[in-house]
Amino acid sequence: QKEVEQDPGPLSVPEGAIVSLNCTYSNSAFQYFMWYRQYSRKGPELLMYTYSSGNKEDGRFTAQVDKSSKYISLFIRDSQPSDSATYLCAMSSGNTPLVFGKGTRLSVIA
Amino acid sequence: DAEITQSPRHKITETGRQVTLACHQTWNHNNMFWYRQDLGHGLRLIHYSYGVQDTNKGEVSDGYSVSRSNTEDLPLTLESAASSQTSVYFCATRGAPGGELFFGEGSRLTVL
Repeated sequence: QKEVEQDPGPLSVPEGAIVSLNCTYSNSAFQYFMWYRQYSRKGPELLMYTYSSGNKEDGRFTAQVDKSSKYISLFIRDSQPSDSATYLCAMSSGNTPLVFGKGTRLSVIA
Repeated sequence: DAEITQSPRHKITETGRQVTLACHQTWNHNNMFWYRQDLGHGLRLIHYSYGVQDTNKGEVSDGYSVSRSNTEDLPLTLESAASSQTSVYFCATRGAPGGELFFGEGSRLTVL
C-alpha cells in the first residue's frame, strides 16, 4: 500500500458544480497537509495548506483533514473552466520530504 | 522576486550518455528536492538535500546522483541515461520544516 492514495480520475464536471477531491494515507505521523494545483506543462503551485486536523476555507476552496480516518478532502464551489488542472494532495511529518498522491485531473466544462 | 530556475527546459539524449539537470534558487532555502513526474505515478522523490554537503536518497534514486556545494544549486546527474528515465523532472525548495514547496517549471527529458 502506498503511503498516499489518490484517485487519478479524470474527473469532468459542468461549470458551477461542486467538486470533491480526496486522498487517504497510512502514516499517522503526517501533520502537514497540502493541496497543489498543476496546470499543463507547469510546476505545481500551493493551493491550500492545513496543519493537523480541521477545516480551512479560502474563497471557493475548502480543505478538510480528518486525522482519525486518515482522510483529506478538497472542495471547490462554483467550479470554473479556469479550475481545470491536476490537483495533487501532499503531506509530511516535521522536516521529512513531502509525499504526494498521484494527482486527480479535473476538467470543468463551460 | 525570489525564484527557482531549471535548465535545460527540454533535452533529448541517447541511452548511456551522462546528463546533468541544473536547479538554481534565489530563495536562500536550505531544503532542496528533486522529483520526477510520470503518468500513473505522480511525483516521486529522487534525491534531496537539507543543506550544503548534505544529500539523501529518495524513493527512486537508482541511476541518479546529486551534490550540494552551495545553498543556491542542486544539480541532478543521470550517470548513464536509460529510456526508463524519460520523464519530467521538477526541482523544489522549502524554507522551513512542514512548509510550502516552491517548484521550478520542470525539465522534460527524453532518452532515446
